[in-house]
Amino acid sequence: DTAVSQTPKYLVTQMGNDKSIKCEQNLGHDTMYWYKQDSKKFLKIMFSYNNKELIINETVPNRFSPKSPDKAHLNLHINSLELGDSAVYFCASSQKRESYNEQFFGPGTRLTVL
Amino acid sequence: AQKVTQAQTEISVVEKEDVTLDCVYETRDTTYYLFWYKQPPSGELVFLIRRNSFDEQNEISGRYSWNFQKSTSSFNFTITASQVVDSAVYFCALSEADSYNFNKFYFGSGTKLNVKP
Repeated sequence: DTAVSQTPKYLVTQMGNDKSIKCEQNLGHDTMYWYKQDSKKFLKIMFSYNNKELIINETVPNRFSPKSPDKAHLNLHINSLELGDSAVYFCASSQKRESYNEQFFGPGTRLTVL
Repeated sequence: AQKVTQAQTEISVVEKEDVTLDCVYETRDTTYYLFWYKQPPSGELVFLIRRNSFDEQNEISGRYSWNFQKSTSSFNFTITASQVVDSAVYFCALSEADSYNFNKFYFGSGTKLNVKP
């Protein structure tokens, strides 16, 4: 059983389109995250939800909107895609929201905007 | 300013050599946590270790060992007798706890390790 799963694994789309990435964790964790990894492999946190409540919201364009229907799911919707959005997006989860918790990562979604 | 610095962008070694990956961090918090993750060519991120700021004991797990030194703000990772399967990008991360205590990771830029047969 995959602990943190993401769909799709690859996403190729045209500039201006709207797309969504889904994430699910079956670990029973309270907290979930979205990270962006750019072409230089740099990982940066975008959002974090704890029990469906948004707790971390980094300086991310408004075109990015996370949604957590329940604590096992955290989806990422992106409107009006731009070339600079091309990256690998990782979902992660941790048991609790406190700083000492290790995070478990999904396999990543490679988004390519043409 | 970057909170976690991994100055070595890429390292190449021959199998069975020992290799040390450097990680230097910056924080004003007295309570914080440091992590290492491995990202193999397949792309997933694999958790390796967590260390809290009050525990400076070095840790060994098989061929892996970690050296945490608060005096130099470093948390270095050594692989002994490297193997081809160790080839990956390794990330160091910091999570601060004093004023915030939300699990917000600051990742270093990663060190790509190439182990040649």
